[in-house]
Amino acid sequence: DAKTTQPNSMESNEEEPVHLPCNHSTISGTDYIHWYRQLPSQGPEYVIHGLTSNVNNRMASLAIAEDRKSSTLILHRATLRDAAVYYCILRWDNFNKFYFGSGTKLNVKP
Amino acid sequence: DTAVSQTPKYLVTQMGNDKSIKCEQNLGHDTMYWYKQDSKKFLKIMFSYNNKELIINETVPNRFSPKSPDKAHLNLHINSLELGDSAVYFCASTGGGSPEAFFGQGTRLTVV
Repeated sequence: DAKTTQPNSMESNEEEPVHLPCNHSTISGTDYIHWYRQLPSQGPEYVIHGLTSNVNNRMASLAIAEDRKSSTLILHRATLRDAAVYYCILRWDNFNKFYFGSGTKLNVKP
Repeated sequence: DTAVSQTPKYLVTQMGNDKSIKCEQNLGHDTMYWYKQDSKKFLKIMFSYNNKELIINETVPNRFSPKSPDKAHLNLHINSLELGDSAVYFCASTGGGSPEAFFGQGTRLTVV
């Protein structure tokens, strides 16, 4: 299964944009790139996903490199509530093969 | 209404006991999962059921037995509990053509 590599931790100031990188050099053509986050003492929650094109939703934007070997989750204005562990996951369809990596712990400073 | 609910939220038990964790989803999803998050916070898939049929079993000891009485429920029974089983167990579901997985709040299992 294709794996993802993320920095262990990142820090951001409140109200500033945050760019969370993810490398997935062994991604296959059918793998979707998903991002989830886990707030303290909660279950993971869906953030965004994409295949080839950049994606935007109310929570974040996802920028996917042209060769698809890396992607970046963009939080446009970080808030204290965005402090969480962010997971970049490759998923080959909508059902199975849903593996989490070690994630990036985002700390947001007031 | 909670989309994916697990009970109990906390479970403390002695080594050697048998315990169950229940999971229910009210989203009409076809696929349900169990994940284990250990002390290092690494989330590992254990099982996946689609329409009550087991489709993923990820090298989990036989002491762990999932049971899906219907599409909305996926329970996890653990026999002969060991110290190493202490972790947070998350249930999740997907379906309806949506890529989004919904997770429960987790069950913190402590084996003493």
